[in-house]
Amino acid sequence: AQTVTQSQPEMSVQEAETVTLSCTYDTSESNYYLFWYKQPPSRQMILVIRQEAYKQQNATENRFSVNFQKAAKSFSLKISDSQLGDTAMYFCAFFNAGNMLTFGGGTRLMVKP
Amino acid sequence: EPEVTQTPSHQVTQMGQEVILRCVPISNHLYFYWYRQILGQKVEFLVSFYNNEISEKSEIFDDQFSVERPDGSNFTLKIRSTKLEDSAMYFCASSEERLPYNEQFFGPGTRLTVL
Repeated sequence: AQTVTQSQPEMSVQEAETVTLSCTYDTSESNYYLFWYKQPPSRQMILVIRQEAYKQQNATENRFSVNFQKAAKSFSLKISDSQLGDTAMYFCAFFNAGNMLTFGGGTRLMVKP
Repeated sequence: EPEVTQTPSHQVTQMGQEVILRCVPISNHLYFYWYRQILGQKVEFLVSFYNNEISEKSEIFDDQFSVERPDGSNFTLKIRSTKLEDSAMYFCASSEERLPYNEQFFGPGTRLTVL
């Protein structure tokens, strides 16, 4: 079974600075997908970024980028130029088969003014 | 922008009672899901639903759980006889196509408290 681990329960960053959230996973599969979801306080989870394991190039979406290290089974999220609206719970998730996501425990990020 | 909605936002029930959690997926979506998150723990997959039947379910989704799409818009999760350990946040999601090619859109969740 796949497992996803987020080792940082809480993090904080000053506005305009850069922060990196960690995620590791365990799988014996070679082809899979990884996701980062953001859940603002009292709001829906929304997809931030997606990475396909067979693609070596790291995904980027505006201020959000990932560092995907397949051999190390690591998938970190970098948020550049942090904004107050980035304050949220961030979940790393894994997909390889079926129609379901396996989530990590989440990292609560606080962006301070 | 279309959103997945869930009602109620908070449900309190007595142990042994039946509860129905309701979700309205995005209108053109075909795949529906329930996840749950016990306080302080991971978000866990419960069940996926397509074409009026369950397509996948987890070990958590035992006989006390059922899902239904009673009309063209609602998607419900029923827990027949609630237990204390069913207290959790329950998230509904929907997608136009199967993962991973399409994004799953999540609702805001229903907090279920079993006393």
